[in-house]
Amino acid sequence: QKEVEQDPGPLSVPEGAIVSLNCTYSNSAFQYFMWYRQYSRKGPELLMYTYSSGNKEDGRFTAQVDKSSKYISLFIRDSQPSDSATYLCAMINFGNEKLTFGTGTRLTIIP
Amino acid sequence: GAVVSQHPSWVICKSGTSVKIECRSLDFQATTMFWYRQFPKQSLMLMATSNEGSKATYEQGVEKDKFLINHASLTLSTLTVTSAHPEDSSFYICSVNPGQGNYGYTFGSGTRLTVV
Repeated sequence: QKEVEQDPGPLSVPEGAIVSLNCTYSNSAFQYFMWYRQYSRKGPELLMYTYSSGNKEDGRFTAQVDKSSKYISLFIRDSQPSDSATYLCAMINFGNEKLTFGTGTRLTIIP
Repeated sequence: GAVVSQHPSWVICKSGTSVKIECRSLDFQATTMFWYRQFPKQSLMLMATSNEGSKATYEQGVEKDKFLINHASLTLSTLTVTSAHPEDSSFYICSVNPGQGNYGYTFGSGTRLTVV
């Protein structure tokens, strides 16, 4: 079993819809959680960075962490075609420098 | 967050030659940088951790003599693919650890290597 599980998709939604992306994990030591957006042939871009359980909002993006369920989510409101990309969750535990990534979810926003 | 510059963005080389990829931290001093490899439609695979002033730490299965890493300054790490072969063709990405308890790692724009 992988430490971090993420549905690879692809996921297609109409423009303006709310998108929900999710990851589950097995290592209870993970404390820091990130979401990255990666466009084709580009490096990952950090979208959200959260510590422990709770919600964090930044514009149209909301990151949610539920440590009791080992489940994290990224919500995108009012989705735009420019949001079409691969979204990667990543996590790390305190004292460890290495990120553990999910496999990424390919998202397409249909105009 | 940190600003990371990676160069070149793409390179084509002949089989048997060596290629050097640069990763620069533009706005802060990075004691630690990371090198990843990504195959099409797959996630990032950590190759090695680059430490300023000391030897890199390689992940299991990564040939240290093939993928030479040099982190000679706090703003520059280089990855040299030696004696490249077609199977080394991939997307290589560097990442910077901002440090000071900030785990929002920043990535370079990546280098697409094609070995012919």
